[in-house]
Amino acid sequence: AQKVTQAQTEISVVEKEDVTLDCVYETRDTTYYLFWYKQPPSGELVFLIRRNSFDEQNEISGRYSWNFQKSTSSFNFTITASQVVDSAVYFCALSGGSTGANSKLTFGKGITLSVRP
Amino acid sequence: DTAVSQTPKYLVTQMGNDKSIKCEQNLGHDTMYWYKQDSKKFLKIMFSYNNKELIINETVPNRFSPKSPDKAHLNLHINSLELGDSAVYFCASSHTAGARGYTFGSGTRLTVV
Repeated sequence: AQKVTQAQTEISVVEKEDVTLDCVYETRDTTYYLFWYKQPPSGELVFLIRRNSFDEQNEISGRYSWNFQKSTSSFNFTITASQVVDSAVYFCALSGGSTGANSKLTFGKGITLSVRP
Repeated sequence: DTAVSQTPKYLVTQMGNDKSIKCEQNLGHDTMYWYKQDSKKFLKIMFSYNNKELIINETVPNRFSPKSPDKAHLNLHINSLELGDSAVYFCASSHTAGARGYTFGSGTRLTVV
């Protein structure tokens, strides 16, 4: 069975601070996909990144960066110089990638990030 | 132009009623999903259809019945609504599952009073 653990539930930082959101996953699949989604107060789910299990390269997109480590089954997300607009719930998710029952996304419980001015 | 559209966006209804939520995608994806987000923000899969065939049916009360008339549509019908059904329901679609990602609708907030 697939499982995603986001041990942090709520994080509060002051604007311009860096913050890292942790994600640990469990799967028996050799091929799998990891995702991060942002859910702002307006409620929609905003896709941030997809990473497949063969590609352990870290990725940077503006103030966002992701650290994927298969050895520790972790896919952590760092926001550099946080801004008030980063305040949201952030979800890490995992899918098996194939069609069928394994195609579903399994979500972590989410981390509520509050960025104070 | 909306890729995955759900209607209605808000639904307020009384206990015991029957209601439906509709979902349509124009992306040509072959798989569609319903997820439920509870009051604690936890997102959980309910159902999934691949080319009109049910492939995922998680532990969901029989009062919930999905219907997929074609691969672009996946509707959710709920009978005898209960207070505990209050949640946000998200529709999503994908092609080749995780390999190309998932597209979510904007959600339907169901409130049962």
